[in-house]
Amino acid sequence: EVQLVESGGGLVQPGGSLRLSCAASGFTFSNYWMHWVRQAPGKGLVWVSRINSDGSSTSHADSVRGRFTISRDNAKNTLYLQMNSVRAEDTAVYYCARADAVVAPAAIGYWGQGTLVTVSS
Amino acid sequence: EIVMTQSPATLSVSPGERATLSCRASQSVTNNLAWYQQKPGQAPRLLIYGASTRATGIPARFSGSGSGTEFTLTISSLQSEDFALYYCQHYDNWLAWTFGQGTKVEIK
Repeated sequence: EVQLVESGGGLVQPGGSLRLSCAASGFTFSNYWMHWVRQAPGKGLVWVSRINSDGSSTSHADSVRGRFTISRDNAKNTLYLQMNSVRAEDTAVYYCARADAVVAPAAIGYWGQGTLVTVSS
Repeated sequence: EIVMTQSPATLSVSPGERATLSCRASQSVTNNLAWYQQKPGQAPRLLIYGASTRATGIPARFSGSGSGTEFTLTISSLQSEDFALYYCQHYDNWLAWTFGQGTKVEIK
């Protein structure tokens, strides 16, 4: 069974930093592209970042480019999102997600339950 | 970034009726288009990928169509469990991905 378990969320001050982690199990982590998607309270889904299977290629949404960095450790089956210079508008539930298929491009087929990040002083 | 625009924002439908949701891309995404369903307090669920292929375990009453810039999700006969939010999303190897703003399907 595919499992994605996020951690690292919490309260952070504007301008601060936070690192989210996602522990993956139940599949061969190194074969799949991975993503971060966020959802502000009562709002829609916003794709944040993606990373290819070996970590050599990444892409970020315009709203976070230059501030957030996605990375992965295939030996530890773990996905990360380093969040720097956070803003109030970054407040959201952050979902770790996996591509539906090994062959890229592929839609998102599996989601974690999310971790809440609150940016406030 | 490609902008995905969904319509309508809210769709009021009676159980058993057909629901038709639209999604438009600001430039061609060929058929790299997915639809997701989200219920309150839950993570999204993949319904359709490749514009028209149902994901594993998705009932046949869900169908997708379109290519290029115009896409449609049709729910042929709405069941009580289908009242939810629906999002379209384009995906590819190079560009930043984006979701539409969502369509809420509510009971009429």
